Amino acid sequence: AQKITQTQPGMFVQEKEAVTLDCTYDTSDPSYGLFWYKQPSSGEMIFLIYQGSYDQQNATEGRYSLNFQKARKSANLVISASQLGDSAMYFCAMREGAQGAQKLVFGQGTRLTINP
Amino acid sequence: DAMVIQNPRYQVTQFGKPVTLSCSQTLNHNVMYWYQQKSSQAPKLLFHYYDKDFNNEADTPDNFQSRRPNTSFCFLDIRSPGLGDAAMYLCATSGAGGGRNEQFFGPGTRLTVL
Repeated sequence: AQKITQTQPGMFVQEKEAVTLDCTYDTSDPSYGLFWYKQPSSGEMIFLIYQGSYDQQNATEGRYSLNFQKARKSANLVISASQLGDSAMYFCAMREGAQGAQKLVFGQGTRLTINP
Repeated sequence: DAMVIQNPRYQVTQFGKPVTLSCSQTLNHNVMYWYQQKSSQAPKLLFHYYDKDFNNEADTPDNFQSRRPNTSFCFLDIRSPGLGDAAMYLCATSGAGGGRNEQFFGPGTRLTVL
């Protein structure tokens, strides 16, 4: 079974609008972490935001926020006031457990295109 | 700036000719990872080193090997590249344990197999 599901292969948004990228996950481990990465066409993966399973509040990092709904097992990324430079692939990823190496399982990604 | 460096950025090899990709880090992280990412797909973990301990993913082909001679460097060796091994290879590093400990990625090496 898929551990991380991103149901939007592609999204098109007008510049300055907010955008929500969906991510659902599946785990039975009570301790886990959820990450979002951005991958521009250059190929480098850029860390955006992190949410721990025990975190009481939704994570925020500048224009990025994470809408964490634990009971629904969803961790959607919200980008406010989108910019042309936000055009990229976005990957949701999950780490299970709290010890050792941070092995990540990635979703299939969403390609976001910001239109001027 | 602390970072993860991969060399070369682009590598062209011939079918069956061994190739080595290099990764170095200045972050002093315990863990180094190698991912394979094919076009329009998610990165797939091949293996990782936790300090000197090598950890292979169950479905990583034997054709892929890795070496970590010291904390800073890690190499990916492809013994006999096939056409199906053409991909972007991403190196990443992280600390160990729970909490944020995000992975820091290098720029990747794009491998072409002729």
